[in-house]
Amino acid sequence: QKEVEQDPGPLSVPEGAIVSLNCTYSNSAFQYFMWYRQYSRKGPELLMYTYSSGNKEDGRFTAQVDKSSKYISLFIRDSQPSDSATYLCAMSAYGNKLVFGAGTILRVKS
Amino acid sequence: AAGVIQSPRHLIKEKRETATLKCYPIPRHDTVYWYQQGPGQDPQFLISFYEKMQSDKGSIPDRFSAQQFSDYHSELNMSSLELGDSALYFCASSNRQAYGYTFGSGTRLTVV
Repeated sequence: QKEVEQDPGPLSVPEGAIVSLNCTYSNSAFQYFMWYRQYSRKGPELLMYTYSSGNKEDGRFTAQVDKSSKYISLFIRDSQPSDSATYLCAMSAYGNKLVFGAGTILRVKS
Repeated sequence: AAGVIQSPRHLIKEKRETATLKCYPIPRHDTVYWYQQGPGQDPQFLISFYEKMQSDKGSIPDRFSAQQFSDYHSELNMSSLELGDSALYFCASSNRQAYGYTFGSGTRLTVV
């Protein structure tokens, strides 16, 4: 079993929908949680960063961390076709090497 | 803003050959990481350097080695290449005073 589990999708939604992406993890030492967006053949781009539990909002993006359930989420409001990409959750214990989820392919249809 | 620069963007090598990938981190970033991403796979951590010293090691084969130089750029050396080494190789850099990594655009290595 992988340390970080993420549904690979693909997840297909209409433009303007609210998207919910999730990851679960097993290592209770993780305390740094990130979401990356990766377009085809490009490097991962950092979207959101959260330390420990709680919520963080940035524009149309909201990240939530529930350490008690070992569950993290990324919500995208008013989704756009340009949001179509692979979304990777990533986490680390000491702010060093990251452990990634498998990535969820998101397709936003116009 | 300056980003993480990787070269070359694409590389084709034959089996048993050697490849060298280069990474130039964001100025004033003190930590460099190397990741390998196979087709349809998530990035896997290979190795990292903090202030030019190896700080952590992941699933890096013995055929691979890396170092960080005095100007903070890093090189990943890969010898006796195998078909299974074909992948995207990403370099990322960070500053321990800040949060999150910045990834480069990657080097796509194809071994034939």
